[in-house]
Amino acid sequence: NAGVTQTPKFRVLKTGQSMTLLCAQDMNHEYMYWYRQDPGMGLRLIHYSVGEGTTAKGEVPDGYNVSRLKKQNFLLGLESAAPSQTSVYFCASSYFGTGSNQPQHFGDGTRLSIL
Amino acid sequence: TQLLEQSPQFLSIQEGENLTVYCNSSSVFSSLQWYRQEPGEGPVLLVTVVTGGEVKKLKRLTFQFGDARKDSSLHITAAQPGDTGLYLCAGVESWAGANNLFFGTGTRLTVIP
Repeated sequence: NAGVTQTPKFRVLKTGQSMTLLCAQDMNHEYMYWYRQDPGMGLRLIHYSVGEGTTAKGEVPDGYNVSRLKKQNFLLGLESAAPSQTSVYFCASSYFGTGSNQPQHFGDGTRLSIL
Repeated sequence: TQLLEQSPQFLSIQEGENLTVYCNSSSVFSSLQWYRQEPGEGPVLLVTVVTGGEVKKLKRLTFQFGDARKDSSLHITAAQPGDTGLYLCAGVESWAGANNLFFGTGTRLTVIP
């Protein structure tokens, strides 16, 4: 029972490099999310998707791009990494629904350091 | 940006003590969720409170949603070392049909045996 799987778990980049973080969920969830977690600031929403082929901006979208080509996958890209993007990144997913009680299921995070 | 402030930021107590964590905002939310996060893992949902004034209990944990749906509290009775972790509140707002979460700043609890 994998749930939400994030790849890779750790990565170190140099300023200006690019990379893609992969999130995969096996629960047939419609909605997927990318967050970043920084000390003392909780989790902040970067981008989210309400279904295959759709994406939308969250609170802190600048410097990131996303794609949802398949329902089970949500990719987060950094085109030109900056030290300010050093953070722990979490992916989450949830069922489609009209209510606001649906839990979000989180992966275990990707720890990214930009030098 | 919706801002949820949690207090205290850090809490270290002895096993068996009681504690309360607060989550405050100037915004009204449709509901509020509490998560617990262990080191190296993602947050895990503990409870959702929906109605102003609602109280929910989960074993030794009691959650309350403020009457105005702007604040919430988490009370733990007779804390155990297994309660150690980062507690996060998250206000729920619906954007384009998605239940987007606005997370609080977190309370890191350590229960000493």
